[in-house]
Amino acid sequence: NAGVMQNPRHLVRRRGQEARLRCSPMKGHSHVYWYRQLPEEGLKFMVYLQKENIIDESGMPKERFSAEFPKEGPSILRIQQVVRGDSAAYFCASSPQAGDNSPLHFGNGTRLTVT
Amino acid sequence: GENVEQHPSTLSVQEGDSAVIKCTYSDSASNYFPWYKQELGKGPQLIIDIRSNVGEKKDQRIAVTLNKTAKHFSLHITETQPEDSAVYFCAASKIQGAQKLVFGQGTRLTINP
Repeated sequence: NAGVMQNPRHLVRRRGQEARLRCSPMKGHSHVYWYRQLPEEGLKFMVYLQKENIIDESGMPKERFSAEFPKEGPSILRIQQVVRGDSAAYFCASSPQAGDNSPLHFGNGTRLTVT
Repeated sequence: GENVEQHPSTLSVQEGDSAVIKCTYSDSASNYFPWYKQELGKGPQLIIDIRSNVGEKKDQRIAVTLNKTAKHFSLHITETQPEDSAVYFCAASKIQGAQKLVFGQGTRLTINP
């Protein structure tokens, strides 16, 4: 039973390019969360999605960042026109359902470096 | 919104001794408190969690205590082993609806052989 799969593990982008991060939740999980971790800090919530729906994007920057979780395929976190401050580790987590008895299971993250 | 403070930021203990990490939270409506272990280059791994209707929970060498009145919770690791070395994060959220975990800043635990 594979865990949460994220790819790529490492991504290097020049300033102004686009970054696309992918997340495949655990089998049977229909809820996906994206978190960002800056060096030496805890994780910060970005967005919560169910299939084809964004439920809560209160942690997402208003510009350049977007997320989707289509009916088929992985969830995608997209960062347009990256800047150096976007350099961080981005983690995806999934759960089978929202609410009680649904702990979050995290992937191993994508480490984005903006040069 | 919720704010979680975690102490200490680094902790070094001798193998076999106990380690204690403490967290405080600000939102009295929070009712779910997980602890995660993060090893280098990996994602956080859930090691134990506690809900607000429980004061203490144990799982082998790991225990978590919760004081709702004081709004703090602690992780206790007994008989520490070298493989316990990692960064530990506490978090808090409300169970209802989305699990928007608010994380502490992390504690880097080093077990000295």
